[in-house]
Amino acid sequence: DIQMTQSPSSLSASVGDRVTMTCRASQSISTYLNWYHHKPGNAPKLLIYGASILQTGVPSRFSGGGSGTDFTLTISSLQPEDFATYYCQQSYSSPLAFGGGTTVEIK
Amino acid sequence: QVQLVESGGGVVQPGRSLRLSCAASGFSFSTYGMHWVRQAPGKGLEWVALISFDGSNTYYADSVRGRFTISRDISKNTLFLQMSSLRPEDTAVYYCAKPPRGLPDAFDIWGQGTMVTVSS
Repeated sequence: DIQMTQSPSSLSASVGDRVTMTCRASQSISTYLNWYHHKPGNAPKLLIYGASILQTGVPSRFSGGGSGTDFTLTISSLQPEDFATYYCQQSYSSPLAFGGGTTVEIK
Repeated sequence: QVQLVESGGGVVQPGRSLRLSCAASGFSFSTYGMHWVRQAPGKGLEWVALISFDGSNTYYADSVRGRFTISRDISKNTLFLQMSSLRPEDTAVYYCAKPPRGLPDAFDIWGQGTMVTVSS
């Protein structure tokens, strides 16, 4: 089974900051990597699929990169609604798997 | 609009069973594989199960295989998760989720979730 590891587990930042988080797969998953934004009490929201393709309606301040085993999610200028937990998820093989999440907190 | 509404959660004793439902509307339910994903209190997201568009194939996480069964009723646009031999570690919010067209193993539409608590 493929394991997904995210780092850091949490980070503190201010509105307007640029933040980057990483996701590592235990084996190569090509670009079968998706990113989600999740706030408590809400349903998760798909941000990026295929490692770097922005889902329709997602602001352009979000960007994703990487392939193989190492991936990044970058938010170019944090907005108040971006303070949340971000999960990566591999869709390369079953069982599908999420990373443990990176929580972006207000500094 | 596209909507998923889960129901059936509640408090159940260890070893007992529970069936969750997910009512789908606003899209062609019979043409999409569907998933269940859960989140235990204070924990991250965990994929649980997938059923193919026609119900002919099912896939499970190791943690639930042999205890949970995913199924669907296309005539009622409803997804189910039959949970048996429940354990305290199955306590979680359970979401049904629909993939985007062309990406069967991602999730773009989620329900609001239904809480399952396994406790004596």
